[in-house]
Amino acid sequence: NAGVTQTPKFQVLKTGQSMTLQCAQDMNHEYMSWYRQDPGMGLRLIHYSVGAGITDQGEVPNGYNVSRSTTEDFPLRLLSAAPSQTSVYFCASSYSMGGLYEQYFGPGTRLTVT
Amino acid sequence: EDQVTQSPEALRLQEGESSSLNCSYTVSGLRGLFWYRQDPGKGPEFLFTLYSAGEEKEKERLKATLTKKESFLHITAPKPEDSATYLCAVQAGGGSYIPTFGRGTSLIVHP
Repeated sequence: NAGVTQTPKFQVLKTGQSMTLQCAQDMNHEYMSWYRQDPGMGLRLIHYSVGAGITDQGEVPNGYNVSRSTTEDFPLRLLSAAPSQTSVYFCASSYSMGGLYEQYFGPGTRLTVT
Repeated sequence: EDQVTQSPEALRLQEGESSSLNCSYTVSGLRGLFWYRQDPGKGPEFLFTLYSAGEEKEKERLKATLTKKESFLHITAPKPEDSATYLCAVQAGGGSYIPTFGRGTSLIVHP
């Protein structure tokens, strides 16, 4: 199993550009999430999904869109990039183990917005 | 609101110098507490799940313990390869799926 994969690893955008961060998992996990990680702020939840066709907002959803058309894929779209979105983005997947959800993270995408 | 506080923010140890990392939490009905390890430039990697006060889990030089208010990650005789950021997260009860993460403790072990 490849686990959770993310592409690209690095990306530089100009303010106002849009792009999609890709995330895929091959573990047949129901649950998938997107986090951003900034120095001194820890991991903050952007959006999450509890299954194909079902998504919801996390702590910091503004400026981001998601969709979940398949169990495997959970792309994150930046609509109009802003310097405040410079961060490292992690995708995670999980499944219920008796009501507990251990998260499996991808390697991350480092995004810089100039 | 669920809160997780990790201390210290950073810790420097000499190889072989044992120590502990702390994770204190306030949560409405703890369902479980998780420890993750994160190496520079990589995603967090799952280490342990603790379910109830008094529980302990071990893996190599690491031992995690849980009380009703906090968890400790004890590192015995650390090696330089134990250098990483250690993250703690809690999952509340009541059907919640979303964990709350602490900001992590950055551990550096000098040879």
